[in-house]
Amino acid sequence: DGGITQSPKYLFRKEGQNVTLSCEQNLNHDAMYWYRQDPGQGLRLIYYSQIVNDFQKGDIAEGYSVSREKKESFPLTVTSAQKNPTAFYLCASSPLGQGARNEQFFGPGTRLTVL
Amino acid sequence: AQTVTQSQPEMSVQEAETVTLSCTYDTSENNYYLFWYKQPPSRQMILVIRQEAYKQQNATENRFSVNFQKAAKSFSLKISDSQLGDTAMYFCAFMKGYGGATNKLIFGTGTLLAVQP
Repeated sequence: DGGITQSPKYLFRKEGQNVTLSCEQNLNHDAMYWYRQDPGQGLRLIYYSQIVNDFQKGDIAEGYSVSREKKESFPLTVTSAQKNPTAFYLCASSPLGQGARNEQFFGPGTRLTVL
Repeated sequence: AQTVTQSQPEMSVQEAETVTLSCTYDTSENNYYLFWYKQPPSRQMILVIRQEAYKQQNATENRFSVNFQKAAKSFSLKISDSQLGDTAMYFCAFMKGYGGATNKLIFGTGTLLAVQP
């Protein structure tokens, strides 16, 4: 069954700790994305990657880091530098290239709460 | 920079009735895509419908249809025969077309739709 998985579903973090959110896809998509969702603000782009070993900052990258060592994996680390990390985090993937259907497919999300 | 505006934070509709959700956007691009995503209480984002800007014909998917007015930069979603399962947050989203594309999405702030029995 093709799709995107995110783990864990719920994550609790103490202030000052780094945490890593997992995102895996088996859709063979080139591009992957991380979004943050806060009430009343829609989805905001944190980081995205179009190819292995390359990624770009989105609109709200401060306090976050990513890696793309494999095509199917795009983990997000929320560092202690992120001032307000409590939010719902969504991972997505998309095919790229001429002829590709231009849309993003989303994972089920991770709810991060800072205690 | 592109922006997407959804001016209706919340809406309510009776089961079996029709409802229209509004979306406007701002862009200087000529080639782009527009989307409506649905996020039910499970929080899984689900693509409802997509529209290519170069197509004049409005997209339809079963009970869902759009009214795409390119000159007015308007992209409304019509849900016919509303069902309880349509209760969700609906997001309008913009994507630049191929040629500058990273397939990045720009989202509106969403409209919370409640379908009443």
